Amino acid sequence: VQLAESGGGVVQPGKSLRLTCAASGFTFTTFTSHAMHWVRQVPGKGLEWVAVISFDGSNKYYGDFVKGRFTISRDNAKTTVYLQMNRLRLEDTGVYYCVKDKEVGQWLGPFDHWGQGTPVTVSP
Amino acid sequence: DIQMTQSPSFVSASVGDRVTITCRASLTIGSWVAWYQCKPGKAPKLLIYSASSLQTGVPSRFSGSGSGTDFTLTISSLQPEDFATYYCQQANSFPVTFGGGTKVDLK
Repeated sequence: VQLAESGGGVVQPGKSLRLTCAASGFTFTTFTSHAMHWVRQVPGKGLEWVAVISFDGSNKYYGDFVKGRFTISRDNAKTTVYLQMNRLRLEDTGVYYCVKDKEVGQWLGPFDHWGQGTPVTVSP
Repeated sequence: DIQMTQSPSFVSASVGDRVTITCRASLTIGSWVAWYQCKPGKAPKLLIYSASSLQTGVPSRFSGSGSGTDFTLTISSLQPEDFATYYCQQANSFPVTFGGGTKVDLK
């Protein structure tokens, strides 16, 4: 079972990035039964939850700091999750992890599978 | 938002030591707590969920306890591979929140 993030990089404040998380090793039924999250690790601040999307994509929730700037989405046919990040700020710098919710029907965690993370650096 | 206050922030310990990390929630959250182990360059690992349930494959020297607002992660006999940073997480309500982390380092 693997979650592989990509799309991170160095970007100026106010710009956009799109992160992609490709899931492999899951059965199609497993992937489409579980909520998926993005969690970030900000330097000096530990882990911070970013967003969740329900198993079917119909419900989404975001961390307070997102303030309408980020959008989470998923394509179950491709077993892929996305995070569109707009109007990036210096404080969005960190490593972004794609994470699977452990239980069917839950979407607050716990998180039983994590990717290796993709680094995002927002710098002038 | 539910705040998760984790302590201590840093623990200096030796192999074989018993290590206890605590997490206090700002509101009562039942048993909706998970614990994770983080090592540099590696994906975080789920250790404990529902406050006291051991995740499959996790050694039995790890245990969790507590309910309501106060929770504990215990490593009964610290092993070399356990030197890492540990985080609690509340799974009671949005937004999901984590504790500030506890780094376990070699004395």
